[in-house]
Order: sequence, then structure tokens, then C-alpha cells
Amino acid sequence: NAGVTQTPKFQVLKTGQSMTLQCAQDMNHNSMYWYRQDPGMGLRLIYYSASEGTTDKGEVPNGYNVSRLNKREFSLRLESAAPSQTSVYFCASSPGQGAYGYTFGSGTRLTVV
Amino acid sequence: GEDVEQSLFLSVREGDSSVINCTYTDSSSTYLYWYKQEPGAGLQLLTYIFSNMDMKQDQRLTVLLNKKDKHLSLRIADTQTGDSAIYFCADFTGGGNKLTFGTGTQLKVEL
Repeated sequence: NAGVTQTPKFQVLKTGQSMTLQCAQDMNHNSMYWYRQDPGMGLRLIYYSASEGTTDKGEVPNGYNVSRLNKREFSLRLESAAPSQTSVYFCASSPGQGAYGYTFGSGTRLTVV
Repeated sequence: GEDVEQSLFLSVREGDSSVINCTYTDSSSTYLYWYKQEPGAGLQLLTYIFSNMDMKQDQRLTVLLNKKDKHLSLRIADTQTGDSAIYFCADFTGGGNKLTFGTGTQLKVEL
């Protein structure tokens, strides 16, 4: 039972470089989410996709773009990485109904130098 | 916008009960959740409560909801060292199927 799979697990980027974080779920969930986690700030929503074919901004979307490639996959792209984007990034998915909550991936630890 | 608040740290002795508190601002919340995050891992759903409930018990976990005060708590009975983790409170209001998370409470269990 894979659940939500994120790649890569760790990444170091230089300022200005670009990269894409990949996320895939195998639970046939409708909704997918990208969060970042920073010390003392909890989880902040970057972007989400309520259903296949739709994406919306969350609380902190600046500097990021997303693609809902199909029902399974939701990628997060950093076009020009900045040190302020050093964080742990989590992908999550849900059926779209509140009672089931979210299933999280294990995270990507990104450092921008 | 919606705000969810938690204290940052809690330290207890093994065998004692732990109580982690959370307050939220949105009165239209439908579900409230508790998640656990162990070091280096993602968040794991522990339990949830529907907004028309006052209490939910699941083995060592008891969730209390005071809807009037918008206060949620998680009690862990007989706390063990394996309970050491960060605990997140989260609130679902239905709009956009999004959860709003608190800052997380780091629980440290001492021998």
C-alpha cells in the first residue's frame, strides 16, 4: 500500500535554479495538496487541486506553480529557487469529503543555498 | 481567514496523561482533526471529531470539543516514550476541501 509517494526525499539547489517536486497517490483520491512546513509556523498551504483539471492558490503560492497531470499526479515547480523556499514540502491527498482527512507523503526536504 | 492556535511545547513524564489544546476561529467548522508527526516523517491521522459531538474516545485517546469556546483538546492517557512527536490540530470548513492546520505542539515524554 504505497499511499502518497513524493520524490525526491532530499534536494539541495542553488539560488536561481529550478526544480519540480513530484507527488503521486494510488488511492483514487479526488483532491491533492501541497504544503510547506517551517519551524514554529505549522503547515501552510501552497496550492491545491480539488479535482482533476482544477488548481487553486493557497496561503503562500508566490514563487511556485503546480500541474495536476492526471488524477494520480500533482507536481510542484519552483521556477527560480530562493533561500526563503528552504523548507520541508508535503504532498497530501483526500477523497474530497471532510471526514476522511488527508493522507500525507513522507516529505521532501529542500535546501536552497 | 481561519486561524488555528496551539501551544508549541508540552513536556510530561512517562505514565502521566498529556493534554494538548487547540483553539480555532471559524464557527462553521464541520470536522476537527488531530495528526501526529514523528521525526522525519509525514503527518499521520490520529483521530477526528464531527462538530456536533462533544467527545470521542479511541483507546488511549480522548478528544473533547467545546464548540461554544471553539476549543479542542487531545488527551493521551498513560503517555509513553513512543508518543513523543509533534501533534497538529486541523480544522475543515468545507470550502475548497481544505484543512487549516495549527502550528503544532511538540510533545516530549520524559522517563
